[in-house]
Amino acid sequence: GAVVSQHPSWVICKSGTSVKIECRSLDFQATTMFWYRQFPKQSLMLMATSNEGSKATYEQGVEKDKFLINHASLTLSTLTVTSAHPEDSSFYICSARLAGSYEQYFGPGTRLTVT
Amino acid sequence: ILNVEQSPQSLHVQEGDSTNFTCSFPSSNFYALHWYRWETAKSPEALFVMTLNGDEKKKGRISATLNTKEGYSYLYIKGSQPEDSATYLCAPGTASKLTFGTGTRLQVTL
Repeated sequence: GAVVSQHPSWVICKSGTSVKIECRSLDFQATTMFWYRQFPKQSLMLMATSNEGSKATYEQGVEKDKFLINHASLTLSTLTVTSAHPEDSSFYICSARLAGSYEQYFGPGTRLTVT
Repeated sequence: ILNVEQSPQSLHVQEGDSTNFTCSFPSSNFYALHWYRWETAKSPEALFVMTLNGDEKKKGRISATLNTKEGYSYLYIKGSQPEDSATYLCAPGTASKLTFGTGTRLQVTL
């Protein structure tokens, strides 16, 4: 149980284009989903927290107009990287949490390369 | 900003060896500590969630202890197997935010 999928697993896009990454909880309803980013040899850094049906809460230093997060249902959250630049190239990973639970269940991540 | 340190950064052991890693974190305002096991190209897998000082949890050959007063947790693997090869992450935090360490990368060879 508690499986989270993420799509795509990797994507290459051109500078200036937008990319959408999907995060789905497959066998449970996630009231809260989290989006993290990991640069090489660094730790997972929380970008934003999204709650179903409400606006996402972004961490300090994360541009909300650049990283659009939508959590329209209890099983799906999306992250759209708008007007991507090479410095946005990174590993993006989501997690989902059950209501009332401490645990976060992670997807397998998405490798984004912007050329 | 919560500073979470994990040591060692990497570890290479032989099959059958027992090993342990450390996670250090600021002890003030502690809420919970998570351990994850992350194999390449897979999702991080939750191992333990620990909240109480002195807590000890066990899952098969893997166990963990927690000292919230001094701000550290140990993860132990008894009789390492090649399938234990992975990166082990710790993350102290609250229900709404976890702060991850950079992990300990374990490689177990035959």
